[in-house]
Amino acid sequence: GAVVSQHPSRVICKSGTSVKIECRSLDFQATTMFWYRQFPKQSLMLMATSNEGSKATYEQGVEKDKFLINHASLTLSTLTVTSAHPEDSSFYICSAGSTTEAFFGQGTRLTVV
Amino acid sequence: AQSVTQLGSHVSVSEGALVLLRCNYSSSVPPYLFWYVQYPNQGLQLLLKYTTGATLVKGINGFEAEFKKSETSFHLTKPSAHMSDAAEYFCAVSERNNNDMRFGAGTRLTVKP
Repeated sequence: GAVVSQHPSRVICKSGTSVKIECRSLDFQATTMFWYRQFPKQSLMLMATSNEGSKATYEQGVEKDKFLINHASLTLSTLTVTSAHPEDSSFYICSAGSTTEAFFGQGTRLTVV
Repeated sequence: AQSVTQLGSHVSVSEGALVLLRCNYSSSVPPYLFWYVQYPNQGLQLLLKYTTGATLVKGINGFEAEFKKSETSFHLTKPSAHMSDAAEYFCAVSERNNNDMRFGAGTRLTVKP
C-alpha cells in the first residue's frame, strides 16, 4: 500500500522556539493532506487540511498563526509549531489519500520543555 | 457533518474470548467507515473499511465488521482474542467526495491471559 512518512518521530524543544514537522507521500501524489493532533488517551482531532499550492483550511479553534502549514509540492506538507509552549506538547499525525483510504504517517511526539 | 461514537473507552477480554468493539456513526450521506488500530507511540494501521457492496467486511488479523444502516452501526468483532490484539482502536467515518475523516474517541482493548 501507499506510504506516508513523517519526520521527526520525536522532538523535544524549548519553550518559545519553533518546530517543523514534515509529512511526505512516498509513492503517490497527494493534493490534500491532513494534520491531526492527539492528546494522551484521546482521539485524533483534525487540525487542518493542507492543500497543495493554496492555503490550508483550519478547523475551528485551531490558531493558524501558531500552526503554520505549507504544502509546496504534491509529496510534501509541513506543519510548523511556532513559539511552542508546554501545552503544545502532543502527538501530531499526518495523513494523505482518498475518500476510500487514508494512509497515516507514524506520528511525531512533540515535547515542549 | 459526520461524527462517530464509540461506546466504551476501555474493553477487557480474556485471551480466546470474543472481541466486540462498538461504533455508531452519524452522516447525512452514505458513509465510508473505517476501523484503525494504534499501538503506543505509533501511527494508525487500517484494519478494515466499508465503502460500498457487501455489508460484512473482513479485515486483517481476523477482525471483521458489519455495516448496519438501520442501526447506523459498524461494530468490530473478532471471534478469539489474542494477546497481540491489545491496542487502541478507532472507528472513523468520512463522506463520499469528502476527504475529511472524523474519528471516534477510541477504545482501549486489554487482553488478559
